[in-house]
Amino acid sequence: AQKVTQAQTEISVVEKEDVTLDCVYETRDTTYYLFWYKQPPSGELVFLIRRNSFDEQNEISGRYSWNFQKSTSSFNFTITASQVVDSAVYFCALKGPRVLSSGTYKYIFGTGTRLKVLA
Amino acid sequence: NAGVMQNPRHLVRRRGQEARLRCSPMKGHSHVYWYRQLPEEGLKFMVYLQKENIIDESGMPKERFSAEFPKEGPSILRIQQVVRGDSAAYFCASSPRITGEDSPLHFGNGTRLTVT
Repeated sequence: AQKVTQAQTEISVVEKEDVTLDCVYETRDTTYYLFWYKQPPSGELVFLIRRNSFDEQNEISGRYSWNFQKSTSSFNFTITASQVVDSAVYFCALKGPRVLSSGTYKYIFGTGTRLKVLA
Repeated sequence: NAGVMQNPRHLVRRRGQEARLRCSPMKGHSHVYWYRQLPEEGLKFMVYLQKENIIDESGMPKERFSAEFPKEGPSILRIQQVVRGDSAAYFCASSPRITGEDSPLHFGNGTRLTVT
């Protein structure tokens, strides 16, 4: 069975602090994809990053960085020097390979981590 | 706006009424997913549709819920005889017919349904 666990329900930090959001996944597939989405207070879902199971290189985009470790089935997200605008709910998601019978992909989302950045 | 369009943004219904949620996918996209987000919870898959076909409805309740994606017009998620437990945010996402395996879902802004 596939599962995504975001154990941190809510995190509060003070502006300029670094913060790491944890994501642990379970899958038996050898090919899979991981994503992070941001849901700001306005409610929309914004795609942040994707990573496939064969690429364990970490990625940095500005103040955002992602640490993918297959050995621990984790795909953690770090925000450096957090800002108030980073306040949002962040979702980690797992996408398995195409289901042959239906041609669909299964996306499994974690329950999200609410990040509050205080000024 | 070339993104996924959902309307209405907010919908209030009394118990027993019907709710209709609309989703127009991104231009060129012919696949639509519907997800439900209950308060303080993650996104739960409901249904996956292509034009005129339901491909996977394993996440949709068997009663009162239905979905369609006609040849012309938006995808519709219909909830009959709504109950308070249906109050949630409903998100639509779309993808193109031929999608790379690493393609993310593109989401609309959601419809927030409140049942009073």
